[in-house]
Amino acid sequence: ELKVEQNPLFLSMQEGKNYTIYCNYSTTSDRLYWYRQDPGKSLESLFVLLSNGAVKQEGRLMASLDTKARLSTLHITAAVHDLSATYFCAVVRTTSGTYKYIFGTGTRLKVLA
Amino acid sequence: NAGVMQNPRHLVRRRGQEARLRCSPVKGHSHVYWYRQLPEEGLKFMVYLQKENIIDESGMPKERFSAEFPKEGPSILRIQQVVRGDSAAYFCASSPTTWGVNEQFFGPGTRLTVL
Repeated sequence: ELKVEQNPLFLSMQEGKNYTIYCNYSTTSDRLYWYRQDPGKSLESLFVLLSNGAVKQEGRLMASLDTKARLSTLHITAAVHDLSATYFCAVVRTTSGTYKYIFGTGTRLKVLA
Repeated sequence: NAGVMQNPRHLVRRRGQEARLRCSPVKGHSHVYWYRQLPEEGLKFMVYLQKENIIDESGMPKERFSAEFPKEGPSILRIQQVVRGDSAAYFCASSPTTWGVNEQFFGPGTRLTVL
C-alpha cells in the first residue's frame, strides 16, 4: 500500500527565515503534486513534479523531486506571514490503468511576524 | 471558465438523516473523484467515477455511502443514516481524460456537520 508521510506536521517559524518541508512516499511514483490549503478552503495547486530531479520555483517556494529516494521537498525562503497555510503533497498511484492521488498528512505552517 | 462546483457548501444533518452532496465537474471533464477530509487530516480517496460508471470505489465505506455520475447532471455522493463520524469536508475533483495521468482540479468542498 502506498503511504505518503510529511514532516514536520506543524511548523512555526519567524518571518524572514528559511525552512524545508519533506514528503516521503513508500512505493514507486514519478509524479508528485504540492498543494496549499487555507482554513476552510479548497486546495490550491502549487507545483507538479513529473520526473526525477525536477525542480520548480514560484516566488518564495521551491519544490524538488528525487524519485530514487522517494522524496520531495518544499523549501520556503524568507518566509512571510501570507505563506501561513497547510501544505500537502500528493503522490499518484496507478492501478490497472486508472490512477488516484494519495495525500500526505499535511504540514501546518504558521509564520510569525 | 467555471471550475469544479460543489453544493451545498455547508450541510447540517441530524443523526439518521440522509446527506446528498453534488459535484459539477469542469466543463468537458468526464472523470470525477471524491475525497474526504477529517479535521486536522489530509484528503482520503473515496471513489472515482466516469459517466455512468464507478471505476474505483476502494476508499468508500461498505455501508451507507454511495456515489453516482449520471449521463446528465452532477455527480452525487449520498450518505444514508449519517452518524457523527461522518462530519468532515468532502471534496470533489475532476480531470479530462483517463489516458495518461492528468491533473485533478478540486472544488471548494462541502462541509458536513452531523449533530
